[in-house]
Amino acid sequence: AQSVTQLDSHVSVSEGTPVLLRCNYSSSYSPSLFWYVQHPNKGLQLLLKYTSAATLVKGINGFEAEFKKSETSFHLTKPSAHMSDAAEYFCVVSDRDTGRRALTFGSGTRLQVQP
Amino acid sequence: EAQVTQNPRYLITVTGKKLTVTCSQNMNHEYMSWYRQDPGLGLRQIYYSMNVEVTDKGDVPEGYKVSRKEKRNFPLILESPSPNQTSLYFCASSLFWTTTYEQYFGPGTRLTVT
Repeated sequence: AQSVTQLDSHVSVSEGTPVLLRCNYSSSYSPSLFWYVQHPNKGLQLLLKYTSAATLVKGINGFEAEFKKSETSFHLTKPSAHMSDAAEYFCVVSDRDTGRRALTFGSGTRLQVQP
Repeated sequence: EAQVTQNPRYLITVTGKKLTVTCSQNMNHEYMSWYRQDPGLGLRQIYYSMNVEVTDKGDVPEGYKVSRKEKRNFPLILESPSPNQTSLYFCASSLFWTTTYEQYFGPGTRLTVT
């Protein structure tokens, strides 16, 4: 069985400071991992994905994440926050070897960016 | 424009009145899926379809039905809605079912059952 734990339900940063959103996962197989962002009243947009290639994954809007198998983590970072980054972020795991190919979502981290 | 569309975007209904939420994609994707989003729970999969006429249950299928008669459409049917189905629903699609392909999400349908 697969599961995802987002360690912070709410993160607040100042504009221009680094962002760190933490995610731990559990998976019986070799997982694929994703980060999605949801802006208010919008659908979900893919930020980045890890599917067994490079462990440091770069995404859109300056975000990146590092897959650490030994720590079962996939934390999302950004060097400098912008006001437009304020949104809810979901860490997602998918077991590659299960036919159902379900995505298991974390409960979300709401990022607030202060001016 | 490549997209997943859902209709309606907002719906208020009463207990027991059958309703259908439509989902359509124009990307020739084989895989489609429905999720519901509830506060503090993230998104949970309701049903999925790997291709036309192939559907299966996700994590929370009770009270829902789906059909996949055409590749582009994947409607979600609530035959007798109840208040615990009040939620935000998302349809998603991807080219194939394997996990290397990202899922594209529709804009969501906010359903309220009174």
